[in-house]
Amino acid sequence: DIQMTQSPSFLSASVGERVTLSCRASQNINKYLDWYQQKLGEAPKLLIYNTNNLHTGIPSRFSGSGSGTDYTLTISSLQPEDVATYFCLQRNSWPLTFGSGTKLEIK
Amino acid sequence: EVQLVESGGGLVQPGRSLKLSCAASGFTFSNYYMAWVRQAPKKGLEWVATISTSGSRTYYPDSVKGRFTISRDNAKSSLYLQMNSLKSEDTATYYCARQESSFDYWGQGVMVTVSS
Repeated sequence: DIQMTQSPSFLSASVGERVTLSCRASQNINKYLDWYQQKLGEAPKLLIYNTNNLHTGIPSRFSGSGSGTDYTLTISSLQPEDVATYFCLQRNSWPLTFGSGTKLEIK
Repeated sequence: EVQLVESGGGLVQPGRSLKLSCAASGFTFSNYYMAWVRQAPKKGLEWVATISTSGSRTYYPDSVKGRFTISRDNAKSSLYLQMNSLKSEDTATYYCARQESSFDYWGQGVMVTVSS
């Protein structure tokens, strides 16, 4: 199985700050990497698919990049409504596996 | 508007069975793979099962293979998860998700508690 490691586990940043979250796969996942946002008490929501494609309705301050085993989610200017836990998911091979998440809060 | 509404959760004893349902609307159900994803209390997400558009192909992780069965009824736009031989570690919120490669839409989830 492909292991997904997210870092950091917890991040505190200021409004307007540029934020970078990382996800590392245990083997090459060929850019089949998604990012999901889960706010407290809500279902997860797709943000980015296939490394760098923004899902419908997602603000342009979110972006993704990466290749091979290393992937990044960037929020260009952190907003209060971005407080959430962010999960990555690899879809390169079965079983599909999620990272353990990065909890993002406002400083 | 895409809507996914799960039902069928509750408290069940270890070793017993439970069947979850997901009613879909707002899209052509038969055109999409569908999936179940779960989240144990205060834990991360775990993919549980995926089913192809016709139902002919199903996929599971080892943690549930042989105990859980995903199925669908395209005429009713409904997805199901039959869970047998339940264990305490199956306690989680179970989400139904549309799988357009990615999990692009999710239901609000249904809680399953396995406890004596």
